[in-house]
Amino acid sequence: GENVEQHPSTLSVQEGDSAVIKCTYSDSASNYFPWYKQELGKRPQLIIDIRSNVGEKKDQRIAVTLNKTAKHFSLHITETQPEDSAVYFCAASKGGSSNTGKLIFGQGTTLQVKP
Amino acid sequence: EAGVTQFPSHSVIEKGQTVTLRCDPISGHDNLYWYRRVMGKEIKFLLHFVKESKQDESGMPNNRFLAERTGGTYSTLKVQPAELEDSGVYFCASSQADRTEETQYFGPGTRLLVL
Repeated sequence: GENVEQHPSTLSVQEGDSAVIKCTYSDSASNYFPWYKQELGKRPQLIIDIRSNVGEKKDQRIAVTLNKTAKHFSLHITETQPEDSAVYFCAASKGGSSNTGKLIFGQGTTLQVKP
Repeated sequence: EAGVTQFPSHSVIEKGQTVTLRCDPISGHDNLYWYRRVMGKEIKFLLHFVKESKQDESGMPNNRFLAERTGGTYSTLKVQPAELEDSGVYFCASSQADRTEETQYFGPGTRLLVL
């Protein structure tokens, strides 16, 4: 069935360092890949997404890369700050009129940025 | 613009009791999704409404769960009778109807504890 694997489950970095979270997906028909950040006690919030016709997307300190052949995508956070500490979820879905758009999530990565 | 809201924020019930969760999507969003995160695991899809119609309920665990969206506005998710394994955080998300890969906006979740 549809599956998304996410690694690592926990990640601890020093402030200013980079953080990388990796996900692989099983369904080759997936074409939309969002990343959500969930701070403690708050709702998951979209931080960046990428569609299958794009290989890389950047938004300030955040970037996502997609390798469709290998079926994996990664989140890169540069110059990490303490406020980046949160749980990060990757997800995959199949767009198009015949699909529901349901998100298949990875297991989550708890990122801790030490000041 | 008001975000997705959910009620209650927390619910503690005993095994065998009934609980009803409510979700109010962003105004104008025809797509409404229910997800659940159990015991710190991944966020799992439960079902998807388009307006008042159930588009995909493949993630519903069993017939103890009943979701409705009368009138195509708010939605309720009823668990009857509740079991211990139903404990978790129930999230609702909504998106616009024009593309199924449109951003899903999440609510703050309802934390359900079944004792």
